[in-house]
Amino acid sequence: GAGVSQTPSNKVTEKGKYVELRCDPISGHTALYWYRQSLGQGPEFLIYFQGTGAADDSGLPNDRFFAVRPEGSVSTLKIQRTERGDSAVYLCASSFGGNANTGELFFGEGSRLTVL
Amino acid sequence: LAKTTQPISMDSYEGQEVNITCSHNNIATNDYITWYQQFPSQGPRFIIQGYKTKVTNEVASLFIPADRKSSTLSLPRVSLSDTAVYYCLVGPMDSSYKLIFGSGTRLLVRP
Repeated sequence: GAGVSQTPSNKVTEKGKYVELRCDPISGHTALYWYRQSLGQGPEFLIYFQGTGAADDSGLPNDRFFAVRPEGSVSTLKIQRTERGDSAVYLCASSFGGNANTGELFFGEGSRLTVL
Repeated sequence: LAKTTQPISMDSYEGQEVNITCSHNNIATNDYITWYQQFPSQGPRFIIQGYKTKVTNEVASLFIPADRKSSTLSLPRVSLSDTAVYYCLVGPMDSSYKLIFGSGTRLLVRP
């Protein structure tokens, strides 16, 4: 596609439920990132993929959060036993390489998660 | 990673030039400076990036003094559509994949 595509755009779930958020990066981009943005704050790094492997998952808040990118393209962020504090906009970004500070990250529009 | 400080908010009027200054006193020798723009309900969008002196593109200019402890994003002749949050980020050029966003500067452009 022309840009980074994220689905769903909005997700409302109940506390304790399981949620999957999908990211389809720009074709040819090897690097994929997940960020989380709470209201009024800047995005916070969650995880970085280079190809199929998670090169750095140090930003994942706890073991309820997991992400995969099995074929090096589409990625899924999985959240188990959701909590109200997980409510945020989850942003996905992709780039040609893994150096985010000497190039441009292309962000999707995000998936807004609301946990009731 | 270097911490950045920028104004929480700024107001301007259509047609004016807007300058947003970011402080990064502990910037490292191998750090780049990057600015992103974010509209409501959208992801951040890259605006400009630089290392020293001045960088200009079709959207903005970035001024970086010799000591690199600050940088100024200059938006010429803003329009209502420039109302957004602007983030200043610094980070190393060597294999760094984590962008560290602060809270940004909320720019409001009035008619």
